[in-house]
Amino acid sequence: KAGVTQTPRYLIKTRGQQVTLSCSPISGHRSVSWYQQTPGQGLQFLFEYFSETQRNKGNFPGRFSGRQFSNSRSEMNVSTLELGDSALYLCASSSPGSDNEQFFGPGTRLTVL
Amino acid sequence: GESVGLHLPTLSVQEGDNSIINCAYSNSASDYFIWYKQESGKGPQFIIDIRSNMDKRQGQRVTVLLNKTVKHLSLQIAATQPGDSAVYFCAESNDYKLSFGAGTTVTVRA
Repeated sequence: KAGVTQTPRYLIKTRGQQVTLSCSPISGHRSVSWYQQTPGQGLQFLFEYFSETQRNKGNFPGRFSGRQFSNSRSEMNVSTLELGDSALYLCASSSPGSDNEQFFGPGTRLTVL
Repeated sequence: GESVGLHLPTLSVQEGDNSIINCAYSNSASDYFIWYKQESGKGPQFIIDIRSNMDKRQGQRVTVLLNKTVKHLSLQIAATQPGDSAVYFCAESNDYKLSFGAGTTVTVRA
């Protein structure tokens, strides 16, 4: 069974631009979560989706948004990029009833110049 | 706010010895506590979890201990191997959200 895939793996943007990151969960998984990882703040929860519904959201500004499609694939968008948005963005999926065992993708490394 | 934290940022251990990684948490209402391992260039990988009504759980070469009285969580790795070198995170699960601690970098010496 294929793991969680994220595209693109690396991205360079400039301040003020927007970016869309994509995540394909493991087949059969319906929950998708997004995390931001930085050296200073560590791993921080962005949001979680299940069956196209956002069930929880972290403490990030409204510039960060996400959605989930009917096939469970998910995207997150960051608008008006700031230097501080440079980070590794991780997507994770889990199967129903196993929310603790999240399977993470390799992440998208975003650099904002 | 409440958070999950680790006691030490780094741990160096001799190959074959046992490793103990500690974590202090503050949200006593959490249902589950989980340990993840992250190797360089990869996303975190689930190791083991423990429900809040348990105090010990064992897996393959790993044991998680939960002390709710002092809000302390630990991960014990038996016979540490070079492949155990990684960053280890404790996390707590609430409302479909994982809150991670800062991480402990474990280095295994040959």
